[in-house]
Order: sequence, then structure tokens, then C-alpha cells
Amino acid sequence: GEDVEQSLFLSVREGDSSVINCTYTDSSSTYLYWYKQEPGAGLQLLTYIFSNMDMKQDQRLTVLLNKKDKHLSLRIADTQTGDSAIYFCAGVSGGYNKLIFGAGTRLAVHP
Amino acid sequence: ETGVTQSPTHLIKTRGQQVTLRCSSQSGHNTVSWYQQALGQGPQFIFQYYREEENGRGNFPPRFSGLQFPNYSSELNVNALELDDSALYLCASSLGYEQFFGPGTRLTVL
Repeated sequence: GEDVEQSLFLSVREGDSSVINCTYTDSSSTYLYWYKQEPGAGLQLLTYIFSNMDMKQDQRLTVLLNKKDKHLSLRIADTQTGDSAIYFCAGVSGGYNKLIFGAGTRLAVHP
Repeated sequence: ETGVTQSPTHLIKTRGQQVTLRCSSQSGHNTVSWYQQALGQGPQFIFQYYREEENGRGNFPPRFSGLQFPNYSSELNVNALELDDSALYLCASSLGYEQFFGPGTRLTVL
């Protein structure tokens, strides 16, 4: 069935790069997304990648997609304290753009 | 700021009661989806409305129902509330493949 898995926690030093990983089971996902959620807030769409792409770069964010292994990653360059949040990857399932989310990765940035 | 608004921000109900949550979509977006996010989990898809018709439904019982209005705003109704319905309820509006979320309504069922 549809499933998205993420590691639960990542701690990085300010200024370093962060890499958040995600695996998914639904190979028919046409788009894969990364959302950010700060405490007590809704979800902010960070970036997305179409399934026929291998990589997408958007300022400090780089998304890598390995379709063979069904693996998606989000790299944040020069991580700042404002990047501390929970990051969700999500795939699209079904003909009506139903999003399937992972449990989220909590990113903690320390000085 | 996504332009998607939800009301109320917080709500406390007791078991067995009914609740209505509201969502105002981003201008021009004709599709709205609702998600339930329990504490410490990722959002779970409840249903989606496209041009006032239910377009898809997740694994939620019929006591979860919805409406979409001609201006594309939407309501989520939950009847016979249970303790496990306590969660953050998120709506997302979309025109194509990007879904933009509102800030959510935190529902607590006592």
C-alpha cells in the first residue's frame, strides 16, 4: 500500500548542511513534496520535484530523487536556527492529488 | 502566508458533540482538501472537494463530512465526537499540483 517513511530526528550545527531522507512505496507518485512545519503552525510548501527529474535546486534547498530505490532527500545548505522545524515529505496518490505524508523529521539546529 | 485561512483557531468540545470547521481557499483555487494531524504524526487525508463535489475520500468514517461552496470555501463537519478526534485539522487549497495549507484548527475533545 501507500507508505512514506522518514527518520524522526536530525541534529546539526549552525552553518552545516542538513540532509533529510525519505523513502516511499507508491512508484506512481507523479510529484513528491517537502513541507516545513513550525510549532503550532500549518504546513509550508518548501519545494517539490516531478517524478521524471533527478534533482531540483532552489536557493539553499536541493532535492534528490532516486526512483529506482524510491528514495527522496532534502539538503539544506548553510543551516540556520530558523530552519529548526519538522520536515515532512509527501507523495501524491490517486487521480485526485491525495497527499501521503511521512511522520516527519524534527530538525534541531544548535550553535 | 498562503492566503488560506481557517476558523476557529482552537476549539474544545465534549464527547458526542458535533463540530464545524471552516476554511477559506486561496483566491482562484477550486480544490480543497482536508487533513487530520494527530500529535506527533504526519497529516492524514480525510477528503477532497473539487467544484463543490467530493472528489476522493480517505479512511475516515461517514461521521466526517464536508461541503464546498460556490466561492470554493469549505466546511468540515464531524458528528458524534470521540476522544481520538482530538487533532490539528488542516485544509489545503490547490489549483494544480501544489497544495497550500492553512494554519489549522486545533480541536480538543474531552
